[in-house]
Amino acid sequence: DGGITQSPKYLFRKEGQNVTLSCEQNLNHDAMYWYRQDPGQGLRLIYYSQIVNDFQKGDIAEGYSVSREKKESFPLTVTSAQKNPTAFYLCAGKTGFYSNQPQHFGDGTRLSIL
Amino acid sequence: AQTVTQSQPEMSVQEAETVTLSCTYDTSESNYYLFWYKQPPSRQMILVIRQEAYKQQNATENRFSVNFQKAAKSFSLKISDSQLGDTAMYFCAFMRINTGTASKLTFGTGTRLQVTL
Repeated sequence: DGGITQSPKYLFRKEGQNVTLSCEQNLNHDAMYWYRQDPGQGLRLIYYSQIVNDFQKGDIAEGYSVSREKKESFPLTVTSAQKNPTAFYLCAGKTGFYSNQPQHFGDGTRLSIL
Repeated sequence: AQTVTQSQPEMSVQEAETVTLSCTYDTSESNYYLFWYKQPPSRQMILVIRQEAYKQQNATENRFSVNFQKAAKSFSLKISDSQLGDTAMYFCAFMRINTGTASKLTFGTGTRLQVTL
């Protein structure tokens, strides 16, 4: 089936550890996005990518890093510099970065501190 | 920068009744898109409806419709004949359309809707 697949569903991080959240899509999306969702807040943009080998910081990029080596994949690394990583993380994609198409989302990954 | 405000943190409606969720936004852009997303307890974000700012006609999708007031910068969602499956968080989102800039979404803080028997 076509879609955006995020894994794992749940992830735990120890202090000082980097962890990587996976986001894979087979919808031929050109643009991909990572959002963070905290209780009582809307989604906030961490990073986005228009094309392969290109990505830009969003509103809350500090403590995070991404790569876009393949069109289908946009992994997010939560580094030890992110002091409050506990949140729900959503990956999204859309066809045509400047188009009017809506973003489609994966099912999310919940990250918690051990 | 754009801001999106949802002033109703929680709402409740009885099954088969109609409910309206409010959203206001602030922008200096003249051309943009507005969306309503639904996030049920499963946490998946599902697109409910979208509206192009240049269209005066309000968008409708089955039981879901919007009241788009461009001058007032208001974009409310009406859910008719509410069903138990409509229970979810609802997010209003704004997307600017401007060649050369990123088509990023700005979200409101959400309204939690509970549909009761």
